[in-house]
Amino acid sequence: KNQVEQSPQSLIILEGKNCTLQCNYTVSPFSNLRWYKQDTGRGPVSLTIMTFSENTKSNGRYTATLDADTKQSSLHITASQLSDSASYICVVSAQAGTALIFGKGTTLSVSS
Amino acid sequence: GAGVSQSPSNKVTEKGKDVELRCDPISGHTALYWYRQRLGQGLEFLIYFQGNSAPDKSGLPSDRFSAERTGESVSTLTIQRTQQEDSAVYLCASSSEGARPSNEQFFGPGTRLTVL
Repeated sequence: KNQVEQSPQSLIILEGKNCTLQCNYTVSPFSNLRWYKQDTGRGPVSLTIMTFSENTKSNGRYTATLDADTKQSSLHITASQLSDSASYICVVSAQAGTALIFGKGTTLSVSS
Repeated sequence: GAGVSQSPSNKVTEKGKDVELRCDPISGHTALYWYRQRLGQGLEFLIYFQGNSAPDKSGLPSDRFSAERTGESVSTLTIQRTQQEDSAVYLCASSSEGARPSNEQFFGPGTRLTVL
């Protein structure tokens, strides 16, 4: 069964600190993996997208890694800001079909 | 418009009533998707439109759920005889050039449905 598991479920950090969110998936055959940021009351917004051959991709203070062999991805946030408080969702796309498989998300709270 | 819009933003209804949720995709986007997000859960795929046709309805949970799209633009998701279990945020997304895995989906803000 195609699944995406994220950890931790929630995380609280102080402003300025770094953090890493994890995503494990069992989707096969794999096409790509995206990390989305979803602010409260808003729709998800794409942060990064990685295909099978990509190991790392950065978007400002966000760096995503992908290990297609172990089927794991991480999202590292550097020098966190209050505006980083949101739900971070890992989304995996299979090579066939139209459905994306969404993780439940990690809720990040950045406090001052 | 600049992005995907959805209306209403919030809808409270009584059990047994019908509701209609609207999605306006990004202009020119041929693919449109509906998702459901229950509290504390990941997004669930409901239905996908390519143009005005729905080649994938596999996510619709029951025959109480239906959707249509007209003019390759606006889409309406209808839930008949609502149940409390239908309470969720309903998200719409659109993408260009069809449902290829590489195409990014742009999401609307969602409609929060509460069934009392």
